[in-house]
Amino acid sequence: DADVTQTPRNRITKTGKRIMLECSQTKGHDRMYWYRQDPGLGLRLIYYSFDVKDINKGEISDGYSVSRQAQAKFSLSLESAIPNQTALYFCATRGRGTGNTGELFFGEGSRLTVL
Amino acid sequence: AQKVTQAQTEISVVEKEDVTLDCVYETRDTTYYLFWYKQPPSGELVFLIRRNSFDEQNEISGRYSWNFQKSTSSFNFTITASQVVDSAVYFCALSEGGSNYKLTFGKGTLLTVNP
Repeated sequence: DADVTQTPRNRITKTGKRIMLECSQTKGHDRMYWYRQDPGLGLRLIYYSFDVKDINKGEISDGYSVSRQAQAKFSLSLESAIPNQTALYFCATRGRGTGNTGELFFGEGSRLTVL
Repeated sequence: AQKVTQAQTEISVVEKEDVTLDCVYETRDTTYYLFWYKQPPSGELVFLIRRNSFDEQNEISGRYSWNFQKSTSSFNFTITASQVVDSAVYFCALSEGGSNYKLTFGKGTLLTVNP
């Protein structure tokens, strides 16, 4: 089983619908991230969290919200989806410690299409 | 602010050719980490390498090699004797030591290796 699991892997929804992407991890990491990938734009950070009580906006947080339900779970919500939120979404985790080198561990991605 | 530039949007080579993917970064930190990730057509992100700012030693791993030059702020990636399975999007990324380890990605280079 993957250490970082995203559900759903694929979702097609309609404009105006609420959609939630879920991420769970078994790595025991405290830091979790949501990235969005668009063709030709690379990956851009939406939100990140250092623990259950610490949520931070990334560079493109407008139109999104997150919830850190537990150390192992970090959900991304689109309250009212719009077509330009069609993208591939990645969850990632990172541990903390003096030996850490900043590497992120990514989930397999969730492909969202908003019609 | 940190920035990563991958000037090559797409590269197409014939199998067995050598190919170099360029990466130029900007940062004000003296402590930072550089990464390369591979994204094959299946969509997942595969970690290839990380390098910290205090280690300019080049690295070779099989057909892959990396050239880190702080003087030119570059971290280039070379594939020797390319193979069709190397076809993917390759991302260079930067994490500053004091920035809560958010990864900033370049826009990626699509490498196509033709038989």
